[in-house]
Amino acid sequence: QVQLVQSGAEVKKPGASVKVSCKTSGYTFSSYGISWLRQAPGQGLEWMGWISVYNGDTNYAQKFQGRVTMTTDTSTSTAYMELRSLRSDDTAVYYCARDPNVGFYDSSASIFDYWGQGTLVTVSS
Amino acid sequence: DIQMTQSPSSLSASVGDRVTITCRASQSISGYLNWFQQKQGKAPKLLIYAASSLQNGVPSRFSGSGSGTHLTLTISSLQPEDFAIYYCQQTYSTPITFGQGTRLEIK
Repeated sequence: QVQLVQSGAEVKKPGASVKVSCKTSGYTFSSYGISWLRQAPGQGLEWMGWISVYNGDTNYAQKFQGRVTMTTDTSTSTAYMELRSLRSDDTAVYYCARDPNVGFYDSSASIFDYWGQGTLVTVSS
Repeated sequence: DIQMTQSPSSLSASVGDRVTITCRASQSISGYLNWFQQKQGKAPKLLIYAASSLQNGVPSRFSGSGSGTHLTLTISSLQPEDFAIYYCQQTYSTPITFGQGTRLEIK
């Protein structure tokens, strides 16, 4: 069965960086991309961007451009999301989701059928 | 960015009721809309994609309709496990955006 298992909760100070992992199984890793989303406490969902496992292409939401880097490791079927220069309003649960976009990004094809369990990132001094 | 507005923000209903949640887009999104259900402490679950297609394994009491700027999710007969928060999501253009959510509570 398809599974996306994320790394554990993190506590970071303002200005630091965090790197969240998303280990996948149950499907061919390179046949899908990975999107990352987040949800602040008690708030709605926010899409951060997408990465192609096939060729490494990315499409980041403008809000996160320059602060986020998404990568993948095909040897371990794992995706990573690094967010830098953390602020208190980055406190959120971060999710990875399987994305059908493979080699290039077309938002109309983004149907998130499987999600990781979420990783709580707390930013506090 | 396309703004998605859901109504109502919260809704109280009873088991067996028929409920409808509306999602309005700030511009036409054709049928590029998905619906998710989220329970406390869990990741969202895909219910409906492309406005009206039922995701595999989702009960047929869930249905979606509409296109353009006005789309709806209907639950034909509420079950106890349906009490949750529901989100719409547009995938017409980047960045993908979500509605603010509709909290469905037991009356």
